[in-house]
Amino acid sequence: AQKITQTQPGMFVQEKEAVTLDCTYDTSDPSYGLFWYKQPSSGEMIFLIYQGSYDQQNATEGRYSLNFQKARKSANLVISASQLGDSAMYFCAMPHSGSARQLTFGSGTQLTVLP
Amino acid sequence: NAGVTQTPKFQVLKTGQSMTLQCAQDMNHEYMSWYRQDPGMGLRLIHYSVGAGITDQGEVPNGYNVSRSTTEDFPLRLLSAAPSQTSVYFCASSYNSNQPQHFGDGTRLSIL
Repeated sequence: AQKITQTQPGMFVQEKEAVTLDCTYDTSDPSYGLFWYKQPSSGEMIFLIYQGSYDQQNATEGRYSLNFQKARKSANLVISASQLGDSAMYFCAMPHSGSARQLTFGSGTQLTVLP
Repeated sequence: NAGVTQTPKFQVLKTGQSMTLQCAQDMNHEYMSWYRQDPGMGLRLIHYSVGAGITDQGEVPNGYNVSRSTTEDFPLRLLSAAPSQTSVYFCASSYNSNQPQHFGDGTRLSIL
């Protein structure tokens, strides 16, 4: 079974600075992927970025990028040039093994951007 | 531009009552799931479906039933509500296993 670990319950970052949110995983699947979702205080789940284990380059989406290190089993989210609106809960998630591929979530990191 | 629609947004029940949380998507997605989110935790999978007529249990299925009679709809039924089921419930759908799941806005459920 997959396991996702997010070891930072809370993080603070100064506006306009970069921040890295940690995510480590454990899986026996030879092929897998990692998703990152953002949950603002309003409660909705917003997809940010995805990377598959066979992708050659780290994924980027605007100010979001994935620092994917397979040997260390880590898939850290990097947010560049933090904005006040980035304050939210961030979840790392991995699809289950098998055909259904539903998501296992980490416990999340609460990011607060300081003005 | 509806995406995934969940109803109701809020509900208060008494212990022992039953109810159905509705979920509908208009994106023709085969994969649909129900998750619950408890305070300070990530989402945990309750039940999921990979297509009409096909459902299966997730991590925390006890006390919940689902059905998938159409591609669009995936209702979640609480047969006899218990205080431990107080949570925020999210429905999600995706085109396939490697595409991101689209989430509804959630249903905040309180069981007294």
